[in-house]
Amino acid sequence: AQTVTQSQPEMSVQEAETVTLSCTYDTSENNYYLFWYKQPPSRQMILVIRQEAYKQQNATENRFSVNFQKAAKSFSLKISDSQLGDTAMYFCAFLPGSGNTGKLIFGQGTTLQVKP
Amino acid sequence: DTGVSQNPRHKITKRGQNVTFRCDPISEHNRLYWYRQTLGQGPEFLTYFQNEAQLEKSRLLSDRFSAERPKGSFSTLEIQRTEQGDSAMYLCASSPGTGFYQPQHFGDGTRLSIL
Repeated sequence: AQTVTQSQPEMSVQEAETVTLSCTYDTSENNYYLFWYKQPPSRQMILVIRQEAYKQQNATENRFSVNFQKAAKSFSLKISDSQLGDTAMYFCAFLPGSGNTGKLIFGQGTTLQVKP
Repeated sequence: DTGVSQNPRHKITKRGQNVTFRCDPISEHNRLYWYRQTLGQGPEFLTYFQNEAQLEKSRLLSDRFSAERPKGSFSTLEIQRTEQGDSAMYLCASSPGTGFYQPQHFGDGTRLSIL
């Protein structure tokens, strides 16, 4: 069974600094998709960034980028120039390439606090 | 794009009662998902619809749980004979039918509290 592990329950960073959130996953599949979702306090979960496993190039979205290491099954999220609005719980999610269901498998989450 | 809408936002009920939640997906999204999220944890998949067909159910979805999407638009999730362990946030998400790998858009969730 596929699993996703986020080993950092809580992290904090000073405003304008850079922070990296870790995620590892376990799968025997070769084709899959990885996502980072952000869930602000009492607000809905929104997509931050996604990566297709068949792409070697790391995905970037403005201040957000990933370090995708397929062999190591690692998918970390880097947030540059942290802003107060980045304070949220961040979830790493895995989507198997087989099955065609869209069934996301989430990690336990990392609570990030950006301090002024 | 008005987003995924879930009602009610909060539901408090006594153990043993039945509850029903509603999810309105983004218009023309034909894939709809239900997840359950307990405090401090990531969401867990419950079930998935493509149009009106329920194509997969998690073993987490006991026979007390039933979900429907009668016309391929909104969906309902019913829990019968609620138990303490059902207390959680129930999240709905939808995605376009252009591919199962398309990002899912989540609603605000319905928080269920069992007294």
